[in-house]
Amino acid sequence: SQQGEEDPQALSIQEGENATMNCSYKTSINNLQWYRQNSGRGLVHLILIRSNEREKHSGRLRVTLDTSKKSSSLLITASRAADTASYFCATDGIGAQKLVFGQGTRLTINP
Amino acid sequence: DAGVIQSPRHEVTEMGQEVTLRCKPISGHDYLFWYRQTMMRGLELLIYFNNNVPIDDSGMPEDRFSAKMPNASFSTLKIQPSEPRDSAVYFCASSFALARVGAQYFGPGTRLLVL
Repeated sequence: SQQGEEDPQALSIQEGENATMNCSYKTSINNLQWYRQNSGRGLVHLILIRSNEREKHSGRLRVTLDTSKKSSSLLITASRAADTASYFCATDGIGAQKLVFGQGTRLTINP
Repeated sequence: DAGVIQSPRHEVTEMGQEVTLRCKPISGHDYLFWYRQTMMRGLELLIYFNNNVPIDDSGMPEDRFSAKMPNASFSTLKIQPSEPRDSAVYFCASSFALARVGAQYFGPGTRLLVL
């Protein structure tokens, strides 16, 4: 069963704009992770945010977590063509002992 | 480190044939995961190992699927007999610890097509 649900399913923006993707989940978590997948490649870990954290930054990435709403967002600032990829959230549910991935958001950055 | 290595990268086979997918995890990682990705079902965890021991195989779709990890540097996922609905991209991933601590590192995947 899917734990994380990303929104939107697809997003297309102009280079230089900011991109925001959202993830909602159903059960309590230990942490939430975001991954990127370029076409034809494996997933690459971007950032991990723990359940007791509210915001985390890594370069042009900003992740927020609202455990009361069971949601997270990934913001990519000053987007570049190279950011074109699918982005997945993955949740480590309490007691689950494994990551559960959402369906992903397909992000397209237009030059 | 070369990262997680998977072979073959592409496999085309006919229904009923045996398929073996191979994975070499990152040296020193304690956990190894096998995932399957399809458009319809997304990314699904099939099985994972800790220190070469299978821990959770609840995601293995049926008895046609089996996985082994004979040592810390090698794992196989076998499908016998294969069916067209097994067509998917199969990923192997490894990590130092379970998800609550850190990231999983994915291989490039094996794209399987069963005709």
